[in-house]
Amino acid sequence: EDKVVQSPLSLVVHEGDTVTLNCSYEVTNFRSLLWYKQEKKAPTFLFMLTSSGIEKKSGRLSSILDKKELFSILNITATQTGDSAVYLCAVLSGGGADGLTFGKGTHLIIQP
Amino acid sequence: EAGVAQSPRYKIIEKRQSVAFWCNPISGHATLYWYQQILGQGPKLLIQFQNNGVVDDSQLPKDRFSAERLKGVDSTLKIQPAKLEDSAVYLCASSFAGGYGYTFGSGTRLTVV
Repeated sequence: EDKVVQSPLSLVVHEGDTVTLNCSYEVTNFRSLLWYKQEKKAPTFLFMLTSSGIEKKSGRLSSILDKKELFSILNITATQTGDSAVYLCAVLSGGGADGLTFGKGTHLIIQP
Repeated sequence: EAGVAQSPRYKIIEKRQSVAFWCNPISGHATLYWYQQILGQGPKLLIQFQNNGVVDDSQLPKDRFSAERLKGVDSTLKIQPAKLEDSAVYLCASSFAGGYGYTFGSGTRLTVV
Protein backbone atom coordinates (compact mmCIF):
# COMPACT_ATOMS: atom_id res chain seq x y z
CA GLU A 1 0.00 0.00 0.00
CA ASP A 2 1.34 3.43 -0.97
CA LYS A 3 2.24 5.65 1.97
CA VAL A 4 3.03 9.37 2.31
CA VAL A 5 4.18 10.85 5.64
CA GLN A 6 4.47 14.57 6.28
CA SER A 7 6.21 16.33 9.13
CA PRO A 8 5.69 18.31 11.19
CA LEU A 9 1.90 18.00 11.36
CA SER A 10 1.65 21.56 12.65
CA LEU A 11 4.00 24.49 12.86
CA VAL A 12 3.67 28.00 14.26
CA VAL A 13 6.25 30.62 13.28
CA HIS A 14 6.54 34.40 13.14
CA GLU A 15 6.22 36.48 10.01
CA GLY A 16 9.56 36.70 8.22
CA ASP A 17 10.80 33.30 9.36
CA THR A 18 11.85 30.56 6.94
CA VAL A 19 10.13 27.18 7.18
CA THR A 20 10.91 23.73 5.82
CA LEU A 21 8.16 21.16 5.41
CA ASN A 22 9.01 17.49 4.95
CA CYS A 23 7.43 14.70 2.95
CA SER A 24 8.60 11.09 2.78
CA TYR A 25 6.99 8.37 0.71
CA GLU A 26 6.86 4.65 0.04
CA VAL A 27 5.11 3.86 -3.22
CA THR A 28 5.35 1.34 -6.00
CA ASN A 29 6.19 2.69 -9.45
CA PHE A 30 6.77 6.33 -8.47
CA ARG A 31 5.90 8.82 -11.20
CA SER A 32 5.82 12.23 -9.55
CA LEU A 33 5.35 14.13 -6.28
CA LEU A 34 3.04 17.10 -5.96
CA TRP A 35 2.68 19.86 -3.38
CA TYR A 36 -0.62 21.63 -2.76
CA LYS A 37 -1.71 24.55 -0.56
CA GLN A 38 -5.15 24.20 1.06
CA GLU A 39 -6.62 27.30 2.66
CA LYS A 40 -10.33 26.61 2.75
CA LYS A 41 -11.50 23.65 0.70
CA ALA A 42 -9.87 23.39 -2.71
CA PRO A 43 -6.21 22.32 -2.72
CA THR A 44 -4.33 24.62 -5.07
CA PHE A 45 -1.36 23.33 -7.02
CA LEU A 46 2.15 24.49 -6.10
CA PHE A 47 4.73 22.15 -7.63
CA MET A 48 5.09 18.88 -9.48
CA LEU A 49 8.46 17.13 -9.10
CA THR A 50 9.53 14.23 -11.26
CA SER A 51 13.31 14.38 -11.47
CA SER A 52 15.60 14.03 -8.51
CA GLY A 53 17.79 16.93 -7.44
CA ILE A 54 16.15 19.60 -9.57
CA GLU A 55 14.74 22.50 -7.55
CA LYS A 56 11.43 24.00 -8.53
CA LYS A 57 10.98 27.62 -7.49
CA SER A 58 8.11 30.07 -7.46
CA GLY A 59 8.68 33.36 -5.66
CA ARG A 60 9.38 32.62 -2.00
CA LEU A 61 8.49 28.94 -2.35
CA SER A 62 10.83 26.22 -3.52
CA SER A 63 10.85 22.45 -3.50
CA ILE A 64 13.24 19.64 -4.24
CA LEU A 65 12.91 15.89 -4.61
CA ASP A 66 15.36 13.16 -3.55
CA LYS A 67 14.32 9.93 -5.29
CA LYS A 68 17.13 7.93 -3.71
CA GLU A 69 16.11 8.79 -0.16
CA LEU A 70 12.39 8.98 -1.05
CA PHE A 71 11.61 12.42 0.28
CA SER A 72 10.85 15.97 -0.70
CA ILE A 73 11.02 19.31 1.09
CA LEU A 74 9.04 22.49 0.61
CA ASN A 75 10.76 25.70 1.69
CA ILE A 76 9.04 29.01 2.28
CA THR A 77 11.28 32.01 2.90
CA ALA A 78 10.27 35.39 4.41
CA THR A 79 6.91 33.97 5.46
CA GLN A 80 3.80 36.15 5.43
CA THR A 81 0.46 35.74 7.20
CA GLY A 82 -1.06 34.80 3.83
CA ASP A 83 1.12 31.68 3.82
CA SER A 84 -0.97 30.28 6.68
CA ALA A 85 -2.60 27.12 5.32
CA VAL A 86 -2.40 23.34 5.24
CA TYR A 87 0.33 22.15 2.89
CA LEU A 88 -0.37 18.77 1.33
CA CYS A 89 2.13 16.42 -0.25
CA ALA A 90 0.85 13.79 -2.70
CA VAL A 91 2.40 11.09 -4.83
CA LEU A 92 1.31 9.92 -8.26
CA SER A 93 2.28 6.29 -8.75
CA GLY A 94 2.40 4.02 -11.73
CA GLY A 95 -0.02 1.83 -13.59
CA GLY A 96 -3.11 2.95 -15.44
CA ALA A 97 -4.70 4.78 -12.52
CA ASP A 98 -3.76 8.39 -11.79
CA GLY A 99 -5.12 8.70 -8.27
CA LEU A 100 -3.00 10.68 -5.81
CA THR A 101 -1.95 9.34 -2.41
CA PHE A 102 -1.87 12.22 0.06
CA GLY A 103 -0.15 12.75 3.37
CA LYS A 104 -2.07 14.21 6.30
CA GLY A 105 -0.69 17.67 5.63
CA THR A 106 1.27 20.24 7.61
CA HIS A 107 -0.85 22.95 9.24
CA LEU A 108 1.29 26.10 9.06
CA ILE A 109 0.35 29.18 11.08
CA ILE A 110 2.22 32.44 10.53
CA GLN A 111 1.88 34.87 13.42
CA PRO A 112 2.26 38.61 12.73
CA GLU B 1 -10.12 28.86 -18.03
CA ALA B 2 -13.11 27.84 -15.94
CA GLY B 3 -12.25 25.60 -12.99
CA VAL B 4 -13.83 22.42 -11.68
CA ALA B 5 -17.38 23.22 -10.60
CA GLN B 6 -19.08 21.42 -7.71
CA SER B 7 -22.45 21.70 -6.06
CA PRO B 8 -23.85 22.02 -3.52
CA ARG B 9 -21.23 23.75 -1.37
CA TYR B 10 -22.72 22.54 1.90
CA LYS B 11 -25.16 19.80 2.84
CA ILE B 12 -26.52 18.69 6.20
CA ILE B 13 -28.51 15.46 6.36
CA GLU B 14 -29.62 12.97 8.96
CA LYS B 15 -28.07 9.52 9.11
CA ARG B 16 -29.74 6.95 6.87
CA GLN B 17 -30.79 9.66 4.40
CA SER B 18 -29.40 9.83 0.88
CA VAL B 19 -27.40 12.63 -0.73
CA ALA B 20 -25.92 13.40 -4.15
CA PHE B 21 -23.07 15.64 -5.24
CA TRP B 22 -22.46 17.02 -8.72
CA CYS B 23 -19.20 17.84 -10.51
CA ASN B 24 -18.42 19.48 -13.85
CA PRO B 25 -14.74 19.09 -14.80
CA ILE B 26 -12.50 21.41 -16.79
CA SER B 27 -13.31 21.26 -20.47
CA GLY B 28 -11.03 18.81 -22.27
CA HIS B 29 -10.05 16.88 -19.14
CA ALA B 30 -10.71 13.22 -19.83
CA THR B 31 -10.06 12.05 -16.28
CA LEU B 32 -12.32 12.82 -13.31
CA TYR B 33 -11.75 11.90 -9.66
CA TRP B 34 -13.77 11.96 -6.46
CA TYR B 35 -11.89 12.32 -3.18
CA GLN B 36 -13.10 12.20 0.42
CA GLN B 37 -11.32 14.43 2.96
CA ILE B 38 -12.14 13.81 6.59
CA LEU B 39 -11.21 16.60 9.01
CA GLY B 40 -7.50 16.51 9.82
CA GLN B 41 -6.66 14.05 7.03
CA GLY B 42 -5.41 14.31 3.49
CA PRO B 43 -7.85 13.60 0.66
CA LYS B 44 -8.48 9.92 -0.10
CA LEU B 45 -9.33 8.77 -3.62
CA LEU B 46 -12.77 7.18 -3.92
CA ILE B 47 -13.09 6.69 -7.67
CA GLN B 48 -11.40 7.63 -10.93
CA PHE B 49 -13.11 7.85 -14.33
CA GLN B 50 -11.40 7.93 -17.70
CA ASN B 51 -14.03 9.43 -20.01
CA ASN B 52 -17.13 7.54 -18.84
CA GLY B 53 -15.37 4.34 -17.76
CA VAL B 54 -14.20 3.49 -14.22
CA VAL B 55 -10.42 3.12 -13.89
CA ASP B 56 -10.13 2.68 -10.12
CA ASP B 57 -12.86 2.33 -7.50
CA SER B 58 -10.95 0.12 -5.07
CA GLN B 59 -11.50 2.50 -2.13
CA LEU B 60 -15.17 3.24 -2.81
CA PRO B 61 -17.52 1.71 -0.17
CA LYS B 62 -19.76 0.16 -2.76
CA ASP B 63 -22.44 -0.91 -0.32
CA ARG B 64 -23.47 2.72 0.13
CA PHE B 65 -21.54 4.87 -2.36
CA SER B 66 -22.12 5.02 -6.11
CA ALA B 67 -20.84 7.28 -8.85
CA GLU B 68 -21.47 7.74 -12.52
CA ARG B 69 -20.12 9.86 -15.33
CA LEU B 70 -22.59 9.81 -18.16
CA LYS B 71 -21.37 11.04 -21.55
CA GLY B 72 -17.85 11.43 -20.17
CA VAL B 73 -18.38 14.95 -18.80
CA ASP B 74 -20.37 15.67 -15.61
CA SER B 75 -20.35 13.27 -12.72
CA THR B 76 -22.49 12.56 -9.69
CA LEU B 77 -21.52 10.85 -6.44
CA LYS B 78 -24.29 9.41 -4.28
CA ILE B 79 -24.37 8.13 -0.73
CA GLN B 80 -27.31 5.96 0.34
CA PRO B 81 -27.80 5.50 3.25
CA ALA B 82 -25.45 7.99 4.91
CA LYS B 83 -23.59 7.24 8.13
CA LEU B 84 -22.13 9.63 10.69
CA GLU B 85 -18.59 8.73 9.56
CA ASP B 86 -19.38 9.99 6.04
CA SER B 87 -19.13 13.56 7.34
CA ALA B 88 -16.31 15.02 5.25
CA VAL B 89 -15.49 17.33 2.37
CA TYR B 90 -16.02 15.64 -0.99
CA LEU B 91 -13.61 16.98 -3.58
CA CYS B 92 -13.88 16.51 -7.30
CA ALA B 93 -10.78 16.87 -9.48
CA SER B 94 -10.02 16.52 -13.17
CA SER B 95 -6.92 16.15 -15.30
CA PHE B 96 -5.65 15.34 -18.75
CA ALA B 97 -4.78 11.71 -19.33
CA GLY B 98 -1.70 10.72 -17.37
CA GLY B 99 -2.50 12.99 -14.46
CA TYR B 100 -1.28 16.25 -15.99
CA GLY B 101 -3.04 19.46 -15.09
CA TYR B 102 -4.61 17.99 -11.95
CA THR B 103 -7.11 20.59 -10.66
CA PHE B 104 -9.45 20.39 -7.68
CA GLY B 105 -12.90 21.89 -7.21
CA SER B 106 -13.93 23.75 -4.06
CA GLY B 107 -15.66 20.69 -2.67
CA THR B 108 -18.90 19.91 -0.89
CA ARG B 109 -18.89 19.86 2.90
CA LEU B 110 -21.22 17.10 4.10
CA THR B 111 -22.37 16.91 7.69
CA VAL B 112 -24.31 13.83 8.77
CA VAL B 113 -26.19 14.25 12.07
